[in-house]
Amino acid sequence: SQTIHQWPATLVQPVGSPLSLECTVEGTSNPNLYWYRQAAGRGLQLLFYSVGIGQISSEVPQNLSASRPQDRQFILSSKKLLLSDSGFYLCAWGQPPATNEKLFFGSGTQLSVL
Amino acid sequence: DQQVKQNSPSLSVQEGRISILNCDYTNSMFDYFLWYKKYPAEGPTFLISISSIKDKNEDGRFTVFLNKSAKHLSLHIVPSQPGDSAVYFCAASVVTTDSWGKLQFGAGTQVVVTP
Repeated sequence: SQTIHQWPATLVQPVGSPLSLECTVEGTSNPNLYWYRQAAGRGLQLLFYSVGIGQISSEVPQNLSASRPQDRQFILSSKKLLLSDSGFYLCAWGQPPATNEKLFFGSGTQLSVL
Repeated sequence: DQQVKQNSPSLSVQEGRISILNCDYTNSMFDYFLWYKKYPAEGPTFLISISSIKDKNEDGRFTVFLNKSAKHLSLHIVPSQPGDSAVYFCAASVVTTDSWGKLQFGAGTQVVVTP
């Protein structure tokens, strides 16, 4: 069966510090991978998605970046965190192609930038 | 621009009664709709979905209704149980043949089931 691992679960970082969140998927190959963010009181906002190694699409302009060095590994990074980067970050995977596919989410990382 | 809207941020319902959650969308190209359930400090889990070729899909206590002309869908939970207390997200996408469509989420509805 497929599983998705995301870490760390919680993170407190000072403004201006770097960030690296990692996500790995097991039990599937060539998945679509996604990073979402949930800000307080808001819905889930798509940040990045990837359809293959080295292929990253950004949905919103920001100081975050994403990389996919391996088929089942997705990394969210920042060189210098801002206060507005605080939120609940979720990694997800989906299996293409499909007409009725759904996303499977990791357990999330609660990031607090102080 | 919020393409998927859940206008009720919260819903309180008595155990055993029906919970009705509503969702509206603006993009007529959406052809696949999903509901997710989320507990605090956890990732959302898939609950139920519906394709635009259907107007109803049922899975146990959960039923999703789709009204394409009104661009509206709803989730019915019958009977409601205490374990149903969670945030429910509505999501929609345009499914493409070469890659899975990107989900657009609503802001969520917090459901509280009281004894």
